[in-house]
Amino acid sequence: DIQMTQSPSTLSASVGDRVTITCRASESISYWLTWYQQKPGKAPKVLIQKASTLQSGVSSRFSGSGSGTEFTLTISSLQPDDFATYYCQHYNSYSGYTFGQGTKLEIK
Amino acid sequence: QVQLVQSGAEVKKPGASVKLSCKASGDTFSSDYMNWVRQAPGQGLEWMGMINPSGGRISYAQRFQGRVTMTRDTSTSTLYMELSSLRSADTAVYYCARSNNDFSSLDYWGQGTLVTVSS
Repeated sequence: DIQMTQSPSTLSASVGDRVTITCRASESISYWLTWYQQKPGKAPKVLIQKASTLQSGVSSRFSGSGSGTEFTLTISSLQPDDFATYYCQHYNSYSGYTFGQGTKLEIK
Repeated sequence: QVQLVQSGAEVKKPGASVKLSCKASGDTFSSDYMNWVRQAPGQGLEWMGMINPSGGRISYAQRFQGRVTMTRDTSTSTLYMELSSLRSADTAVYYCARSNNDFSSLDYWGQGTLVTVSS
């Protein structure tokens, strides 16, 4: 099965900072990578699909890049509402939906 | 617009079963692939399985094989998930979620149902 590994597990940053979260796949997944944001007590929300396609209604401060085995989620200028946990996710028909372990973005 | 409304919180004893529901509104339920995802307290997201629009094809994550049953009722636009032989490690929030058209992501989610397994 393909494994998804995120780094870092926790990230401390300040409002206005530019931050990057990395997701690595154990084998090539082309561009089939989705990023979610999850806030406490809420369901996850799609931010970016197919590695770099911004979901409708999502702020352009979020961007995604990468292909193959290495992907990044970048937030260009952190806003207070961005402090949350972020997950990457891959789907294939053999093992279904596989999530990274999550990155908690905290206020420094 | 799709809305998924899940049933309320459950408390179960070890060894028992729980059956959760997820009612969909919107016109696409009859053609949607639906999933269950769970999240233990303070932990990450774990996919449990997917059911096709007719309910005739179901794919379960290997670790839940034999303990989980997913069904759907198209007449009431309701999705169900039954988990048996509950143990404390099954304490989690359980979400239903829809696959998007190319399965790349889960684009609509229910609000989640907390299942607590405790003696």
